[in-house]
Amino acid sequence: ETGVTQSPTHLIKTRGQQVTLRCSSQSGHNTVSWYQQALGQGPQFIFQYYREEENGRGNFPPRFSGLQFPNYSSELNVNALELDDSALYLCASRPDPMNTEAFFGQGTRLTVV
Amino acid sequence: GENVEQHPSTLSVQEGDSAVIKCTYSDSASNYFPWYKQELGKGPQLIIDIRSNVGEKKDQRIAVTLNKTAKHFSLHITETQPEDSAVYFCAALSTGNQFYFGTGTSLTVIP
Repeated sequence: ETGVTQSPTHLIKTRGQQVTLRCSSQSGHNTVSWYQQALGQGPQFIFQYYREEENGRGNFPPRFSGLQFPNYSSELNVNALELDDSALYLCASRPDPMNTEAFFGQGTRLTVV
Repeated sequence: GENVEQHPSTLSVQEGDSAVIKCTYSDSASNYFPWYKQELGKGPQLIIDIRSNVGEKKDQRIAVTLNKTAKHFSLHITETQPEDSAVYFCAALSTGNQFYFGTGTSLTVIP
């Protein structure tokens, strides 16, 4: 196990709703990244947080937002859910942004109906 | 930005045979290349990685090679076992400090 935990494991939402996903990073890791993994695809980078500040963002619209807390846990918020948002959402933690090894949680499977 | 391509998308081998998965990348500034194994219902698990100043790295039955000039890297699994069956992803760490993943290879090891 990586020590990165995500909640919930599964979630079903209706189009137009909002969702919050949570991630607890590995102890001592201050950098958390979020990825979206559509079925049959590789993970796509959403954004990264380092010491409570966003320090990198992929090609996702502003309705995807996040937070990082003083204990380095993190949230991913998605507003105005669309059917295409259905995916596995992965959180990865690193000791710091310059450290290359990333450890993933088990993911949250989001289904939008 | 970086673009990572991965082949093949599916691979079936007999138990005991070797498996090879290949990836190419586009950004010559990328300097770190991990490989992840993802089992059904789980998150990706780091199995081996290589940095741009090294040409080859081995860990028991798993090895990775990197050709910086050609911008490609490969995963080699020898003496495959049924528990090696999973989806494997290559990735490249870009200058923007984010990972770009390949589209994955579904490996099946036939007992």
